[in-house]
Amino acid sequence: QVQLQESGPGLVKPSETLSLTCAVSGVSIRSYYWLWIRQAPGKGLEYIGYIYYSGSTSYHPSLNSRVTMSVDTSKNQVSLKLRSVTAADTAVYYCARERLTVGGMDVWGQGTTVRVSS
Amino acid sequence: EIVMTQSPATLSVSPGERATLSCRASQSVRSNLAWYQQKPGQAPRLLIHDASTRATGVPDRFSASGSGTEFTLTISSLQSEDFAVYYCQQYNKWPPYTFGQGTKLEIK
Repeated sequence: QVQLQESGPGLVKPSETLSLTCAVSGVSIRSYYWLWIRQAPGKGLEYIGYIYYSGSTSYHPSLNSRVTMSVDTSKNQVSLKLRSVTAADTAVYYCARERLTVGGMDVWGQGTTVRVSS
Repeated sequence: EIVMTQSPATLSVSPGERATLSCRASQSVRSNLAWYQQKPGQAPRLLIHDASTRATGVPDRFSASGSGTEFTLTISSLQSEDFAVYYCQQYNKWPPYTFGQGTKLEIK
């Protein structure tokens, strides 16, 4: 059974860096794209970006200057860093899987809530 | 960036009835469209990919159609567990993938 588990601090101070990890179990991260999606309180879904195990990435243009995604194949996990956060970055952050040849995110983590506040 | 517009924002339907949700893209996304269901406090669940293909385990009361800029998700006979928020998402042109703002399907 494929499972994704996000983890990281639930509270981040403004101007600091949000760091999250998505641990993948039940499947090798080499076989899929791995995405980060976020959802602000009461709002819709927002694409942050994706990473492939090779390190290839694609980020939302509006976040491109602040986002870094990385992959650790030895730990079968992917990570997200978002720099210079503000209150607008408060959201539930999800990691999700996308198959290489079929669109749509077919497996999601449960999400982790991050609040930006001093 | 491709803008996805869903309508209506809220749809009130009685259990057992049919629900039809719409999604429009600001430019053609061909058939590169997915539908998701999200219940309160839960992650989204993939229902449909490639505009009309049900994901694994999705009941056949869920069907979808469309291509280009106009898409529809139909739930043929609403069950209690179907009341949720539904999102469409295009993956034809990125970055970024873009989502519609969601349609809340509520019990009438």
